[in-house]
Amino acid sequence: QVQLVQSGAEVKKPGASVKVSCKASGYTFTGYYLHWVRQAPGQGLEWMGWINPTSGGTRYAQKFQGRVTMTRDTSISTAYMELSRLKSDDTAVYYCARDYQEFDYWGQGTLVTVSS
Amino acid sequence: SSELTQDPAVSVALGQTVRITCQGDNLRSYYASWYQQKPGQAPVLVIYGENNRPSGIPDRFSGSSSGNTASLTITGAQAEDEADYYCDSRDSSGNLLRVFGTGTKVTVL
Repeated sequence: QVQLVQSGAEVKKPGASVKVSCKASGYTFTGYYLHWVRQAPGQGLEWMGWINPTSGGTRYAQKFQGRVTMTRDTSISTAYMELSRLKSDDTAVYYCARDYQEFDYWGQGTLVTVSS
Repeated sequence: SSELTQDPAVSVALGQTVRITCQGDNLRSYYASWYQQKPGQAPVLVIYGENNRPSGIPDRFSGSSSGNTASLTITGAQAEDEADYYCDSRDSSGNLLRVFGTGTKVTVL
C-alpha cells in the first residue's frame, strides 16, 4: 500500500533552518511528483511547491522563493523540504503529498514550531 | 496568482444535503479536487476530476462544475462528515502551480 512517512516534530529558533523528510513506499518513487503543503495553526492549507523525483526539478510558490529548497534521494525513495530563515509565522504542520493529477496520498504531517 | 474562494462555514441537518462551493477564474480551465480534513488529521481526497471518488469514499459525495465555480455536494450528510473541506486546482498562470481554496467548515446538526 502507498505510504508517505514524514520525519518527527521540530522546534527551531527564529533565523534557523529546518529540513523535513518524506519517505515513500508502496509505489515507484520516480513515477509521481511530490508536493509540499503547510497549515499554520487554525488556518487553511497553503501550497509550497513540488519536486520531480526523476529529474530533481522543482517549482516553488512565489511566497517561498529564495527560502525553500526541495530535494530528493532516489536511492532511499525520500524527498526533503528545507525552509531557511525561519520566522514565528512559519510555525505550521508541513505535509508532503503525492501528485496523481490530484493529491491522492498524504504524509502524516510534521509540526515545525519556531520559537525563541 | 490565482485565488480560490470558499464560504467559511456551512451547517446541515443530519441526513440532509449540503453544497460547498469554490470560486476562481482558473476553474474555467481546470477541474477542482476536494479534500476532507478532520481535526488533527491529514487531508483526504474525496472528489477529483469531473466527478470521481477514490476507493472507499461514500457515494453521498459528488462533484460538479460550471463556469468559474466548482461544487462539492454531500447528499444525506452523516455525523462523520463534519470536517473542513478544501478545494484545490491548478493556478491560472500555468498548470505547474497549485492553489488551495480558503476552506469550508461543515457542521452536521
